Amino acid sequence: DADVTQTPRNRITKTGKRIMLECSQTKGHDRMYWYRQDPGLGLQLIYYSFDVKDINKGEISDGYSVSRQAQAKFSLSLESAIPNQTALYFCARILAKKADTQYFGPGTRLTVL
Amino acid sequence: GIQVEQSPPDLILQEGANSTLRCNFSDSVNNLQWFHQNPWGQLINLFYIPSGTKQNGRLSATTVATERYSLLYISSSQTTDSGVYFCAVKLGPYSGGGADGLTFGKGTHLIIQP
Repeated sequence: DADVTQTPRNRITKTGKRIMLECSQTKGHDRMYWYRQDPGLGLQLIYYSFDVKDINKGEISDGYSVSRQAQAKFSLSLESAIPNQTALYFCARILAKKADTQYFGPGTRLTVL
Repeated sequence: GIQVEQSPPDLILQEGANSTLRCNFSDSVNNLQWFHQNPWGQLINLFYIPSGTKQNGRLSATTVATERYSLLYISSSQTTDSGVYFCAVKLGPYSGGGADGLTFGKGTHLIIQP
């Protein structure tokens, strides 16, 4: 979805490094999400946020942290990257305040060596 | 947590064929979405369909919430339909709550041959 921007699109890093993945959306809506996708599998929820002061863990939050710097920005950090965090990471948002449809960014492909 | 099962896991068809993809879920839901992940990894929204039937061109979807399944129909397949189709759900308010995010199935990998 063109309204969700993720940077970087690809990243290769080494074990133990700190990595930040950034997500921006242009609509300023409340709810934003981070998911990861492992090869051959569906997406799993890492964290989600209703607004700047409301952040919640998803099903696989261990090893990750997030920051909601502004309504439009939601960043995901890997404090000390490990190889099994190699995955495709997606950010998502809802389209409108009262809607429940999630729209996804283009994804960030992260490789941890 | 809620279980989402998709079938078949893999499907190979000739261009022009029709197909039906199925999604079963283990609890009542208030959100069900179908996505197409193209070969470049992009997730494209197809339908938001917690109940009822919708159609968009060659694609249509039906969700029977009381029986906990959804079907995605693709007619007159084209090579550009290739990719992975995901069903994703969110628990309803009377199903114990849980995270606000979607729970995904493992997908159906569709290959359309020319």
